Amino acid sequence: EIVLTQSPGTLSLSPGERGTLSCRASQSVSSSYLAWYQQKPGQAPRLLIYGASSRATGIPDRFSGSGSGTDFTLTISRLEPEDFAVYYCQQYGNSPKTFGQGTKVEIK
Amino acid sequence: EVQLLGSGGGLVQPGGSLRLSCAASGFTFSSYAMSWVRQAPGRGLEWVSAISGSGGSTYYADSVKGRFTISRDNSKTTLYLQMNSLTAEDTAVYYCANSIMITFGGVIVKGPYFEYWGQGTLVTVSS
Repeated sequence: EIVLTQSPGTLSLSPGERGTLSCRASQSVSSSYLAWYQQKPGQAPRLLIYGASSRATGIPDRFSGSGSGTDFTLTISRLEPEDFAVYYCQQYGNSPKTFGQGTKVEIK
Repeated sequence: EVQLLGSGGGLVQPGGSLRLSCAASGFTFSSYAMSWVRQAPGRGLEWVSAISGSGGSTYYADSVKGRFTISRDNSKTTLYLQMNSLTAEDTAVYYCANSIMITFGGVIVKGPYFEYWGQGTLVTVSS
């Protein structure tokens, strides 16, 4: 099983700042089959990024994904008030499909 | 607009059964694989099960294999999850999600990842 470790656990930032979230895999993720999701309290997750770097439909370009192999990054170029949430990575190249434990982006 | 409306959650005793439903609209239901993903209270996400667009192929996490059954009725654009032999560890919010998945020879070779999610239905297993 591929274990995804997200860091930091909590990221405290101010609106307008840049956020950098890390997702590290215990072994190489096949063909960069990695997705990122955003979840706000009481809501379902929302797909942001798939294939490590492709933005999902309707996702603003301030969200970008990068990385390959075992190290992946989600970058939010300038945080908007609505971006404060929990972010999860997920690998879908190997079975079982696994999620990271999440990074909470909170207002500083 | 894609809509996925989950229902059927509730309180059930250990060893009991429950059937979840997810009514879909806003997309060509039969063209998409569908999945159930769960989230235990205060915890992360866990993929539970997936089904191909035709319903002919089903896939399960080891934690639910043999206890849960996923199915779909494309004429009603509805997804189901029959859950039997429930334990406290199955307590979670269950989300349905339309899924991007590629299979070959009945084996998943890519995916699923989850494009759109329903609002979730809470299942509580407790005596």
